[in-house]
Amino acid sequence: AQKITQTQPGMFVQEKEAVTLDCTYDTSDPSYGLFWYKQPSSGEMIFLIYQGSYDQQNATEGRYSLNFQKARKSANLVISASQLGDSAMYFCAMSWGGSNYKLTFGKGTLLTVNP
Amino acid sequence: EPEVTQTPSHQVTQMGQEVILRCVPISNHLYFYWYRQILGQKVEFLVSFYNNEISEKSEIFDDQFSVERPDGSNFTLKIRSTKLEDSAMYFCASSGLGLNEQFFGPGTRLTVL
Repeated sequence: AQKITQTQPGMFVQEKEAVTLDCTYDTSDPSYGLFWYKQPSSGEMIFLIYQGSYDQQNATEGRYSLNFQKARKSANLVISASQLGDSAMYFCAMSWGGSNYKLTFGKGTLLTVNP
Repeated sequence: EPEVTQTPSHQVTQMGQEVILRCVPISNHLYFYWYRQILGQKVEFLVSFYNNEISEKSEIFDDQFSVERPDGSNFTLKIRSTKLEDSAMYFCASSGLGLNEQFFGPGTRLTVL
């Protein structure tokens, strides 16, 4: 069965520094997608970045990049130059072709950016 | 930029009452989903809907839940007889044909008293 694991319940980072949020996954399906979402205290789910299992390069979106290591089944999110507004819950999620594209989520990591 | 919308943003109801949560997915999307998030917990899949029928549902999605796409634009989640444990944030999401896009609405916070 597909599974997403986020082992860091909470992380702290100083403003302007980079931070890595860990995510490992487990699937036997060769075709899958990995997502990161940000959930601020207001509650909405904001899509950040996507990585496909067949993508050769790591995904990047502005200050967000996804460190995709397929053999290790990891998909860590790197946030560069942290800002106070980055303080939020971050969820890693996975979908796969045989699942009608539904998302399975990890438990999340609460990131706090300190001034 | 197209977005998923949900109404209401917050619903308070008495235990045993029926509630209908509404969503307008992105217009050219084909797959529609409901997820829920109990306070402080992870997001859980409830149901997916494709081609006017349920394509998959989770164990949570029991007989008290139903979904409908009544008019080609709205996508609704009905809870027939609410329980205290139904209190949660309910998210609607939609997706096109492919793995790389699933957009969430802002959520409806349901409080059952």
